Amino acid sequence: SQQGEEDPQALSIQEGENATMNCSYKTSINNLQWYRQNSGRGLVHLILIRSNEREKHSGRLRVTLDTSKKSSSLLITASRAADTASYFCATRREYGNKLVFGAGTILRVKS
Amino acid sequence: DTEVTQTPKHLVMGMTNKKSLKCEQHMGHRAMYWYKQKAKKPPELMFVYSYEKLSINESVPSRFSPECPNSSLLNLHLHALQPEDSALYLCASSRGVGNEQFFGPGTRLTVL
Repeated sequence: SQQGEEDPQALSIQEGENATMNCSYKTSINNLQWYRQNSGRGLVHLILIRSNEREKHSGRLRVTLDTSKKSSSLLITASRAADTASYFCATRREYGNKLVFGAGTILRVKS
Repeated sequence: DTEVTQTPKHLVMGMTNKKSLKCEQHMGHRAMYWYKQKAKKPPELMFVYSYEKLSINESVPSRFSPECPNSSLLNLHLHALQPEDSALYLCASSRGVGNEQFFGPGTRLTVL
């Protein structure tokens, strides 16, 4: 079953611009993770944020988590053409042992 | 070695065939996963192995049979598949269940 909903479904921006993707979920979570998938390939883990954290950074990535609103956002700054991919949020429920993936956002960065 | 490998990369099989997908990791991870992904959809969990024991089966049809021969290997045995089973099959591993997962490149399966 799908836990997360992401918006927008698709995003097209120019190289150098920032990209923001949002994820909402329904139940209490242990952690929330973001993954990237290049066309038809395996997923790459980007960042994990725990339920007691509010913000995390990794390079050009910034993730926020608002557990009161059950939502998270992923910001990619100074985007590059190589950032073109699908981005998925995935949640681990508070007492669960599996990840449930959201529908994903397709990001296209134009050079 | 921080890689998860999967073989084969592509597989075409008939509905009466028996085939196997293989997955290997040498990161010492104790949790391994099979996912199925259809085009333009998120991965859907099929099976979770923890310490070589099946811990989650997401009500997957019996024509899919997982096997974990040891802590580094995970197989998915396929038998009497249907055309709707055509998809990208992804293997992943993690230090423990719920931790960040490392994914293989996937096997693109086509059932004729």
